[in-house]
Amino acid sequence: GQNIDQPTEMTATEGAIVQINCTYQTSGFNGLFWYQQHAGEAPTFLSYNVLDGLEEKGRFSSFLSRSKGYSYLLLKELQMKDSASYLCAVRDTGGYQKVTFGTGTKLQVIP
Amino acid sequence: DAEITQSPRHKITETGRQVTLACHQTWNHNNMFWYRQDLGHGLRLIHYSYGVQDTNKGEVSDGYSVSRSNTEDLPLTLESAASSQTSVYFCASSEGLGPGTSGSQETQYFGPGTRLLVL
Repeated sequence: GQNIDQPTEMTATEGAIVQINCTYQTSGFNGLFWYQQHAGEAPTFLSYNVLDGLEEKGRFSSFLSRSKGYSYLLLKELQMKDSASYLCAVRDTGGYQKVTFGTGTKLQVIP
Repeated sequence: DAEITQSPRHKITETGRQVTLACHQTWNHNNMFWYRQDLGHGLRLIHYSYGVQDTNKGEVSDGYSVSRSNTEDLPLTLESAASSQTSVYFCASSEGLGPGTSGSQETQYFGPGTRLLVL
C-alpha cells in the first residue's frame, strides 16, 4: 500500500518562493506526480519525477529523493493565480502501476 | 482538440435511486479511472479500466459499478444511491501502454467533475 503525507494548508506572499513538501511510504515506487487543482475545477498535471533530482519547468520545479521517500514542489515568483491545491501522487510498481493521491496542500497567495 | 467530458455536471437525487454518471474521452486512451473527492480524503479511486471489457475495483468500490464496452466511455453507476455517496466525482484517462511504460505516459487527464447530492 501507499501512505502519502502533505501539509494541509500554506500561505505565501505574492512574488515570493514557496516549497510544498510531500513524503511517502510505498511498497513499490515508480514515479511521483504533482497536480494543481483550483477550487471547483479538475486537477491538472504539473510535473513527473522518477529519478532523483530536480526537474525545472518555468516557475515550477519538482525535486525527488527516492531514498528518503521525499519530494517537493517549488513555486517561484508567486502569482495570485497560483492560489490552489497541490496534489502529490505516487505511482506504484504492482500490476498496472496504479497512482495514489495525497490529500493535497491548499496554498493561499496573499498580496 | 481531444478532450474528456463528464455529464451531468450537477445532479441531485434521492436515496435508493440508481444514478449513472457519464465519462467520455476522445484521446483514444486505454486507461480510464473514476475517483471521488471529499474534504479530508483527497482523491480516492473507485473503479478503473485498462481497456475494453476490462474493469477493476479501487479502494472505495462498494455501491458502485462500471462497464467498458468501447474505448471512449466509462459510465459509473450508483446502484442504490446513499447519502454517503454525496461527493464530487472525477473521471480521468491516461494513455496506458501497459507495464513498463514511461511514467509520463501514465499522466492522468481529468474531466471537469460531477457534483452529486444524494438527499
